[in-house]
Amino acid sequence: QVTLKESGPVLVKPTETLTLTCTVSGFSLRDSRMGVTWIRQPPGKALEWLAHIFSNDEKSYSTSLKNRLTISKDTSKRQVVLTMTNMNPVDTATYYCAREQDGYIYGRFDYWGQGTLVTVSS
Amino acid sequence: DIQMTQSPSSLSASVGDRVTITCRASQSISQYLNWYQQTPGKAPKLLIYAASSLQSGVPSRFSGSGSGTDFTLTISSLQPEDFATYYCQQSHSSPRTFGQGTKVEIK
Repeated sequence: QVTLKESGPVLVKPTETLTLTCTVSGFSLRDSRMGVTWIRQPPGKALEWLAHIFSNDEKSYSTSLKNRLTISKDTSKRQVVLTMTNMNPVDTATYYCAREQDGYIYGRFDYWGQGTLVTVSS
Repeated sequence: DIQMTQSPSSLSASVGDRVTITCRASQSISQYLNWYQQTPGKAPKLLIYAASSLQSGVPSRFSGSGSGTDFTLTISSLQPEDFATYYCQQSHSSPRTFGQGTKVEIK
């Protein structure tokens, strides 16, 4: 059974750095067919893709946020970590991690975590 | 970045109606197009991948078509559980991008 679970702070202050962890089970981060993606959704708004990482450590970032994002993985812990610097109230959103299957061939997000709401406020 | 534009942004329909949502890419993406359904308070769910392939477990009333820049998601007979927001997403290249969503409401 494939599962993904996000964890991290529910509240961060402006200018702080957000660190979110996605813990996966039911598949391996070494599997060449699989990657893990972070996506966010501000309240009442659309989905926004943030970053992904694949088994070969290939990474990609949102163009508008790439200067603030870092994605990494710890295969032995089955975890993918996203950091976002200089948080702002507009970054208030539900943050999801998702598995991307077949990322190099018709990649799709077939399993998602439940999401974690992060509020940015002083 | 590849921009994805969905239309309409919202629609009202009745149970049993045939519903069509369109998605346009700012450049050709071949068939690297996925569709997701999201209900309030839940994570999105994959419906269609590679433009027309039905994800396992998804009812056959959902179908997708298109290639290049223009794509369509069709629900052949709308059911009560289909009232939700639908998103398209391209996987042709990184960064991945989503459409702005189409909300399907009860008429």
